[in-house]
Amino acid sequence: GENVEQHPSTLSVQEGDSAVIKCTYSDSASNYFPWYKQELGKRPQLIIDIRSNVGEKKDQRIAVTLNKTAKHFSLHITETQPEDSAVYFCAASSPGYALNFGKGTSLLVTP
Amino acid sequence: SAVISQKPSRDICQRGTSLTIQCQVDSQVTMMFWYRQQPGQSLTLIATANQGSEATYESGFVIDKFPISRPNLTFSTLTVSNMSPEDSSIYLCSVGLSTVDTQYFGPGTRLTVL
Repeated sequence: GENVEQHPSTLSVQEGDSAVIKCTYSDSASNYFPWYKQELGKRPQLIIDIRSNVGEKKDQRIAVTLNKTAKHFSLHITETQPEDSAVYFCAASSPGYALNFGKGTSLLVTP
Repeated sequence: SAVISQKPSRDICQRGTSLTIQCQVDSQVTMMFWYRQQPGQSLTLIATANQGSEATYESGFVIDKFPISRPNLTFSTLTVSNMSPEDSSIYLCSVGLSTVDTQYFGPGTRLTVL
């Protein structure tokens, strides 16, 4: 089955800096890669996703890149703000199948 | 996206008892899944809830312990049976409007077993 590795497990940045979280996956059949943000006590919220026919996708301060050959994808957050502090999960799946999650990255943005 | 609700939002139960968690969606969805999230951990898939047929369980999860129903395209239940303290966790349903659509999560049910 699919195995998703996520790094780092914790990340601390100064407000205004960029944050990068990286994930690798094992199943070459996976073609859907979402990122979820989970604040304490809340449900995971989708923040951005990318499909395998696209190499990069951007939404304001958030971008995701995908390298299918190397089987890795990354989340980039620019101009970080304290409200970006949360746990971020990457995931991978094939259409119609459940998501396989990475172990999560706890991001702390300090003022 | 869809509006997803779960009941109960939290519960404290005695060991050996069972709890049924409900997941209700405000529109018909193709895919429904049940996940478990233990404290400080990632999300682990329990099973895929199939409408009109038996759920598909992941390795390590069995129907006798986690029976699942999905009577229609907007509703599913997960029962945690014969509970032990190790079952203390957050249980979340997720839905996909179609087989190629994004998955959205319900608010979760926080279960504590004493």
